Amino acid sequence: AQKITQTQPGMFVQEKEAVTLDCTYDTSDQSYGLFWYKQPSSGEMIFLIYQGSYDEQNATEGRYSLNFQKARKSANLVISASQLGDSAMYFCAMSLSGAGSYQLTFGKGTKLSVIP
Amino acid sequence: DVKVTQSSRYLVKRTGEKVFLECVQDMDHENMFWYRQDPGLGLRLIYFSYDVKMKEKGDIPEGYSVSREKKERFSLILESASTNQTSMYLCASVAGEWVTGELFFGEGSRLTVL
Repeated sequence: AQKITQTQPGMFVQEKEAVTLDCTYDTSDQSYGLFWYKQPSSGEMIFLIYQGSYDEQNATEGRYSLNFQKARKSANLVISASQLGDSAMYFCAMSLSGAGSYQLTFGKGTKLSVIP
Repeated sequence: DVKVTQSSRYLVKRTGEKVFLECVQDMDHENMFWYRQDPGLGLRLIYFSYDVKMKEKGDIPEGYSVSREKKERFSLILESASTNQTSMYLCASVAGEWVTGELFFGEGSRLTVL
């Protein structure tokens, strides 16, 4: 079964600095997708970024980038120039292809606090 | 805009009651999901459905059942609610056969079982 591990329950970062949120995954499949979602205190889940297992380039979306290291099975999220509004829970997730595998498995999350 | 609507934001039920949580999406998505979210445990998949009348168990299906009679609606049923089912329940949907796209989430239903 697939598994997502986020080892940092909570992190602090100074405003305007960069921060890396760790995510490792475990699957024997060759074809999969990796996602990051943000959940502010208001509760909604906000999609940030997606990386396919066959994508050679690391995904980037504005201030977010996904540092994909396939051999290490890691998919870390890098947020550049942190803002106060980045304070939230962040979830890493993985999807698998194949019959009956239309599901997304989430990690336990990392709570990021941005300090002014 | 894609919209996923969950029928109730807050519910309070008694132990043993039957509980229905409804989820409706307006974008003709094939795939729909029910997750529960608990502090320190992240989101855990209860059930998902990739087509009308099709359902698959997720990681924690015990104590739950689902119904998908129409493509836009995916219902989560607690046959006999228990206190350990107090949680936030999130519904989500996405198009396509393989989950490569963004999941669209509802606002969540916070269930308290007394």
